[in-house]
Amino acid sequence: DTAVSQTPKYLVTQMGNDKSIKCEQNLGHDTMYWYKQDSKKFLKIMFSYNNKELIINETVPNRFSPKSPDKAHLNLHINSLELGDSAVYFCASSQDAGGFTDTQYFGPGTRLTVL
Amino acid sequence: GDSVTQMEGPVTLSEEAFLTINCTYTATGYPSLFWYVQYPGEGLQLLLKATKADDKGSNKGFEATYRKETTSFHLEKGSVQVSDSAVYFCALTGGGFKTIFGAGTRLFVKA
Repeated sequence: DTAVSQTPKYLVTQMGNDKSIKCEQNLGHDTMYWYKQDSKKFLKIMFSYNNKELIINETVPNRFSPKSPDKAHLNLHINSLELGDSAVYFCASSQDAGGFTDTQYFGPGTRLTVL
Repeated sequence: GDSVTQMEGPVTLSEEAFLTINCTYTATGYPSLFWYVQYPGEGLQLLLKATKADDKGSNKGFEATYRKETTSFHLEKGSVQVSDSAVYFCALTGGGFKTIFGAGTRLFVKA
């Protein structure tokens, strides 16, 4: 009955490979997010989807491509992985988009290590 | 653009000590303010929030008051426990659907 789940929890791969991270929320929320947390714990928004529509697309290399097959799922695909992509990636969801008071619910994170 | 500045850590306290983690923000309009906590190996979870000026958010003995005149949202707890050891993030949500997070402050509480 996990609210926001991500798979895999750990991902170790070689430079140049392509990998995907999956996220699912069972809270019935309309909006989902991807964040990147670096080694110093700094958290930065990457993408946000509202009802399967992209609403936030930060300055992220186009090797990163989010896909939302339905409003409960938001996957992140990364092409041609680089060393600098090593980080913890968090998925999150919230009830509404543009809701100033909305709480975000975070998944447990996926630790990506690129060798 | 909007921004959040919080005190650098780590903060190391003994059990039952008083905690203050400072947070100031820059935003146009009237954002909502949040404190999130991240325990080791976990995702962030909401600790408390305040949605308008002079509101006080509180939870698990933690408190923070939305001060518009000083653009601050400092986190306080009267008596910390070892189990409070975590990273604390101040955040704001303003216009444009985006939540801006501070850099995080790591708290260590010693028994």
